[in-house]
Amino acid sequence: AQSVSQHNHHVILSEAASLELGCNYSYGGTVNLFWYVQYPGQHLQLLLKYFSGDPLVKGIKGFEAEFIKSKFSFNLRKPSVQWSDTAEYFCAVSAGGTSYGKLTFGQGTILTVHP
Amino acid sequence: NAGVMQNPRHLVRRRGQEARLRCSPMKGHSHVYWYRQLPEEGLKFMVYLQKENIIDESGMPKERFSAEFPKEGPSILRIQQVVRGDSAAYFCASSREGDQPQHFGDGTRLSIL
Repeated sequence: AQSVSQHNHHVILSEAASLELGCNYSYGGTVNLFWYVQYPGQHLQLLLKYFSGDPLVKGIKGFEAEFIKSKFSFNLRKPSVQWSDTAEYFCAVSAGGTSYGKLTFGQGTILTVHP
Repeated sequence: NAGVMQNPRHLVRRRGQEARLRCSPMKGHSHVYWYRQLPEEGLKFMVYLQKENIIDESGMPKERFSAEFPKEGPSILRIQQVVRGDSAAYFCASSREGDQPQHFGDGTRLSIL
């Protein structure tokens, strides 16, 4: 069975600080990897995804993530955060192939950015 | 272009009652997914449906829970004889095809008294 672990429950940063949110997954086969974001009062939105190819994936709003297969990791990064990045971030995985299908989510990381 | 619509946003039921949660997918989407988020936990997959068919129900509890996505109308997640442990946020997502991104609704918060 797949599982996803996010290292930090709550991260607090000041504006312009760099961000890295950890995500590790457990699954023996090929995986598809995702980061979703939920802004306060809004629904989950897809930030970025990895299916295959270049392991460094760029998403919306300046976010990127790197897939390191040997470490079973897919960490999310942003060089300089803004107050508007305050949200909850979820890492998710689905079994490999071209189908999204069933997503397995991590517990989520709440990011608070102080102006 | 309306997104995934879930209703009600909040639902309160007493133990033993039935809860019906509705999800209208985005226009043109024929794939629906239900997830549950228990307090202090991440979203857990429950069921994946395509019009009139259940594709994957590996995350559905064996008893009291059922889901449908009829040819016409919204997808329904039904919980019979609710218990306190059913209190959670239930999220619906939809996609145009199985290999397209899932778009999420705002969720239904179910509280059991």
